[in-house]
Amino acid sequence: SQTIHQWPATLVQPVGSPLSLECTVEGTSNPNLYWYRQAAGRGLQLLFYSVGIGQISSEVPQNLSASRPQDRQFILSSKKLLLSDSGFYLCAWEVGGGQPQHFGDGTRLSIL
Amino acid sequence: GENVEQHPSTLSVQEGDSAVIKCTYSDSASNYFPWYKQELGKRPQLIIDIRSNVGEKKDQRIAVTLNKTAKHFSLHITETQPEDSAVYFCAARGGYNKLIFGAGTRLAVHP
Repeated sequence: SQTIHQWPATLVQPVGSPLSLECTVEGTSNPNLYWYRQAAGRGLQLLFYSVGIGQISSEVPQNLSASRPQDRQFILSSKKLLLSDSGFYLCAWEVGGGQPQHFGDGTRLSIL
Repeated sequence: GENVEQHPSTLSVQEGDSAVIKCTYSDSASNYFPWYKQELGKRPQLIIDIRSNVGEKKDQRIAVTLNKTAKHFSLHITETQPEDSAVYFCAARGGYNKLIFGAGTRLAVHP
């Protein structure tokens, strides 16, 4: 069966520091991968999505970037974090072709 | 652009009552409509979904209805229980396979 792993679960970082969040999927090939951010008490904002290795689409211009170095690995990065980058970051995957999308357990990022 | 509106934003019911959450979408090409339940501090979990070739789908106490002509779909929870308390998100699949999410409904079920 397919599973998604996301780490770390929580992260506290100072303003101006770099960021790297990782997401991996097991049990499937060539999944569509997504990064979402959720502010406290709010909805889901799509940040990036990828339909294949090295292919990244950005939804919102911001302080973040994403990369997909391997088929089942999706990384969210920042060179310098801002206070506004705080939030709950969720990775999601789907087989594609209109199939259900499933979320990882998320990373709660706090910027001090 | 593509948009999904969700109502109400908060819903409070007594245990055993029914709860209904409604969503409307703007992209007439949308063909897939999932519903997610998110408990506090947890990830959203898919609870039911429906495709555009079906008008209604039911899974135990949960049902979803779709009206393609009016471009709206609804989640129905019957015989609500305290463990149904959570935030519920609707979504519609639009262009490039992206899911467009509603803003969420906070459901509180009181014993």
